[in-house]
Amino acid sequence: DTAVSQTPKYLVTQMGNDKSIKCEQNLGHDTMYWYKQDSKKFLKIMFSYNNKELIINETVPNRFSPKSPDKAHLNLHINSLELGDSAVYFCASSPGTRAQEYFGPGTRLTVT
Amino acid sequence: QQQVKQSPQSLIVQKGGIPIINCAYENTAFDYFPWYQQFPGKGPALLIAIRPDVSEKKEGRFTISFNKSAKQFSLHIMDSQPGDSATYFCAASKAYNTDKLIFGTGTRLQVFP
Repeated sequence: DTAVSQTPKYLVTQMGNDKSIKCEQNLGHDTMYWYKQDSKKFLKIMFSYNNKELIINETVPNRFSPKSPDKAHLNLHINSLELGDSAVYFCASSPGTRAQEYFGPGTRLTVT
Repeated sequence: QQQVKQSPQSLIVQKGGIPIINCAYENTAFDYFPWYQQFPGKGPALLIAIRPDVSEKKEGRFTISFNKSAKQFSLHIMDSQPGDSATYFCAASKAYNTDKLIFGTGTRLQVFP
């Protein structure tokens, strides 16, 4: 059983488009995250939700909007995609903050 | 501002060697220090973690050494195997419930047979 799943695994799109990445966890965790990993492998948190409430919102462009319809899902919507948005996006979950984070397999976004 | 500095960027060892990856932090409020392992095409996975009340923690072939006064911690992999080839990230977070993990820049380890 996949603990943290993301769809799609690969996403290729053109500049200016709007796209969404979906994340689901079946671990019963309260906290979910979105991370961005750039081409140099640098991993940086973007957002964190605890029980559907936004608790961490890093300085990301407001073209990025997370949505948590319930505790098990945290989706990421990106408007007006730019070349610099190309990266691997990871969803993660944990039973609480400062606890082990379980990462999904990642979504490789390529903006052309 | 890079709050957790990791070195080296890449490391090549032979099977059986003991690669050591070092991390240094600045913020004394950090009190949770995990290491994550990432294989190509996969998400990072927690390997081992330490809190500053101990100076060393071992789990199997992986050991974290922690030096609170120097604000440094390191990962040692004993008897390294080709299957250990991956990218390793150190991280740190503060003692607040809403705090985030801050990751180091990663070390790409290659273990040759």
